[in-house]
Amino acid sequence: AQRVTQPEKLLSVFKGAPVELKCNYSYSGSPELFWYVQYSRQRLQLLLRHISRESIKGFTADLNKGETSFHLKKPFAQEEDSAMYYCALKEYGNKLVFGAGTILRVKS
Amino acid sequence: IAGITQAPTSQILAAGRRMTLRCTQDMRHNAMYWYRQDLGLGLRLIHYSNTAGTTGKGEVPDGYSVSRANTDDFPLTLASAVPSQTSVYFCASSDGDRLNYNEQFFGPGTRLTVL
Repeated sequence: AQRVTQPEKLLSVFKGAPVELKCNYSYSGSPELFWYVQYSRQRLQLLLRHISRESIKGFTADLNKGETSFHLKKPFAQEEDSAMYYCALKEYGNKLVFGAGTILRVKS
Repeated sequence: IAGITQAPTSQILAAGRRMTLRCTQDMRHNAMYWYRQDLGLGLRLIHYSNTAGTTGKGEVPDGYSVSRANTDDFPLTLASAVPSQTSVYFCASSDGDRLNYNEQFFGPGTRLTVL
């Protein structure tokens, strides 16, 4: 079965510090991975997807098939990055499997 | 354009009662989904529909049913609510025709408490 693991429930960093939100997956085929974010009082929304190889709000994520990881990184955290972050894996039939989520708290 | 709307925003329900959570989208998306969000468990798929007239079971379908009579609406029904169904429920939709683009758009959620 496909699985997505986010080992940290809470990650607390100071403003300006680097951030890395971990995500590991298990999938038998060629994976398609996403990061979704939920800011306070806002809807869950797509942050980025690995096939785009893009940087959104300073965040990047590289798919590492050898380590089966898709960690989300940002070199300098900002207070507005505080949110719940979910890693998600596309299943057959356009369904997504989500990880348990990591709360990122950026302290001033 | 509203995107996806859900109703009610929140509800307190007595155990054993029947409840329907409503979800409507105006983006003409083919696929729709229902998730429950529980702390420490993330979002888990309850049911989904790839197109009007079809539905499928997700990871946690027991105790829930759905219907997809048209493209826009995807109601979720709890036939006889139990306390373990206390959760925040999210509806989502996606344009399932675009094979390499699977962004899901989420509604604001319904907070359900079963006593």
